[in-house]
Amino acid sequence: DAKTTQPNSMESNEEEPVHLPCNHSTISGTDYIHWYRQLPSQGPEYVIHGLTSNVNNRMASLAIAEDRKSSTLILHRATLRDAAVYYCILVGVAQGGSEKLVFGKGTKLTVNP
Amino acid sequence: KAGVTQTPRYLIKTRGQQVTLSCSPISGHRSVSWYQQTPGQGLQFLFEYFSETQRNKGNFPGRFSGRQFSNSRSEMNVSTLELGDSALYLCASSLAGSTTQYFGPGTRLTVL
Repeated sequence: DAKTTQPNSMESNEEEPVHLPCNHSTISGTDYIHWYRQLPSQGPEYVIHGLTSNVNNRMASLAIAEDRKSSTLILHRATLRDAAVYYCILVGVAQGGSEKLVFGKGTKLTVNP
Repeated sequence: KAGVTQTPRYLIKTRGQQVTLSCSPISGHRSVSWYQQTPGQGLQFLFEYFSETQRNKGNFPGRFSGRQFSNSRSEMNVSTLELGDSALYLCASSLAGSTTQYFGPGTRLTVL
């Protein structure tokens, strides 16, 4: 079962920042926080991930709470192309080195022109 | 570097038939995972292969099977197709030891 909680949907205006929240109160010390997004008619796309510290890349920023029980994906300037379903996923490495992604419902982001 | 490729992109089958889907991972990636996406159940993990061995398996019936070849390419097979198997089947690859997976565009399977 998914171990994260996200709002079902959010709206934003083009060129404005977007903050997508995620709660993961049962996170373990070795779980990574991953964000993926899925544009219409495409496979999921990796966005960013982190463990404890805030992370930045060319797509987004990830802010992780000090207790790691929540995180926020930040899109600094939303574009129409950012309209997608965003998934927050906890990823741990199971015994034997195997990993799997457990997807929840995600947050559907609508970007208004 | 080329991304994950999946063939075919679209497939129509009838109940009772079987189907084989193919996935070519990103060069150098040895782990391949398969997922099923339906409107009702969302994205669900099917299985994961690493170095030709199945390392992890989701909660799907035995009609769903897979394999991985020595070049890391993977195939999944669904036998005795049911209407409920209509879905988008996604393949993802990752580097050994990495928690990041890279997805292909998927194969859209329709069972009539």
